[in-house]
Amino acid sequence: GESVGLHLPTLSVQEGDNSIINCAYSNSASDYFIWYKQESGKGPQFIIDIRSNMDKRQGQRVTVLLNKTVKHLSLQIAATQPGDSAVYFCAENNQAGTALIFGKGTTLSVSS
Amino acid sequence: DGGITQSPKYLFRKEGQNVTLSCEQNLNHDAMYWYRQDPGQGLRLIYYSQIVNDFQKGDIAEGYSVSREKKESFPLTVTSAQKNPTAFYLCASSSSGTGGYEQYFGPGTRLTVT
Repeated sequence: GESVGLHLPTLSVQEGDNSIINCAYSNSASDYFIWYKQESGKGPQFIIDIRSNMDKRQGQRVTVLLNKTVKHLSLQIAATQPGDSAVYFCAENNQAGTALIFGKGTTLSVSS
Repeated sequence: DGGITQSPKYLFRKEGQNVTLSCEQNLNHDAMYWYRQDPGQGLRLIYYSQIVNDFQKGDIAEGYSVSREKKESFPLTVTSAQKNPTAFYLCASSSSGTGGYEQYFGPGTRLTVT
């Protein structure tokens, strides 16, 4: 079946470090991937997305890498700040292309 | 301000009662979605609608119902048939329902059924 998963449920880093959050997906036909950040008690916020015709996309302090060969997605956060502490979800579009399938999330904790 | 609103933020109901969660968007988006989130879990799709007067079941539609009479509104009813309704409910919208587009989320409604 379709599924999106994350390698680690939690990640703890020091302020100023670079963070890497990983995600494995199973649907080789997926052509759209997206990362969200969710703070406690709030709705998810868009971070960055990438289409399958790209390997890398950069935003402000964030980079998403897509490796279609091994069906792996990663989110890199540069110079991690305490405000980056949250749960991060990756998602891919489903086989019909009508909805997103979410992974279970990685909790990022940043200590100062 | 453009965005998605969900009301109320917290909702309490007795077991056996139906309850309707509100979701409104003023982004002029065609597609709208309802997700359920349980503690420590990801988002699971309940229902989605790609266009007015049309909607499809997601992965966990049993015990829920929706309507899409207006482009701006996509209310979710949690019926008494839903065995474990206590959860955090999130509504989202996107400019297209054909996939490959960012979904914008509302602030969520936390439903507690006792």
